[in-house]
Amino acid sequence: EVQLVESGGGLVQPGGSLRLSCAASGFTFSSYSMNWVRQAPGKGLEWVSYISSSSSTIYYADSVKGRFTISRDNAKNSLYLQMNSLRDEDTAVYYCARGFLGVASEYFDLWGRGTLVTVSS
Amino acid sequence: SYVLTQPPSVSVAPGQTARITCGGNNIGSKSVHWYQQKPGQAPVLVVYDDSDRPSGIPERFSGSNSGNTATLTISRVEAGDEADYYCQVWDSSSDHRVVFGGGTKLTVL
Repeated sequence: EVQLVESGGGLVQPGGSLRLSCAASGFTFSSYSMNWVRQAPGKGLEWVSYISSSSSTIYYADSVKGRFTISRDNAKNSLYLQMNSLRDEDTAVYYCARGFLGVASEYFDLWGRGTLVTVSS
Repeated sequence: SYVLTQPPSVSVAPGQTARITCGGNNIGSKSVHWYQQKPGQAPVLVVYDDSDRPSGIPERFSGSNSGNTATLTISRVEAGDEADYYCQVWDSSSDHRVVFGGGTKLTVL
């Protein structure tokens, strides 16, 4: 079955760190770019970060640049998000999403179910 | 930075047509993608590259994009279409980033 499964969420204090993982199965993980997208409680979708299939290209949203690090291990079919210096406003469900290159830009054709990160003292 | 503007809510009776707009500066020059998200679930791609449908998405879902407005059209709306809908583009004009619209809550009356 083609799927993405996130893990690693939980409760963390402001200023703390957390590492999210996303396990891919059912497709050739190394052929696809990957993304993290988050959704604060009751709010809309916010893109967090992008990594190309070979890890050669990485982008971040301004809101997380310098604090979050995206990485992947194609041998383990896994995507990661290292989150440092966490703030209250980072509280959200974090989704990993597979990127697919369309005519002119990428879209997200496969999503995981998400993992909840709560930043609170 | 590039901004996508969606109406917060759209209401439509069953069997009617719902149109959800996504406004952006010269959005017609970009590829627009649309996602459906039901409560407690992950988003699902319903339209990509302005007007194409992934396999498994009903033909009732269609899209268009021109000028400063992209539109997701849902024909013969059903109760099961009630959800939040988000438009998305890739903004390469300044710093590379993905941009989502604020989302539109579709209510089936």
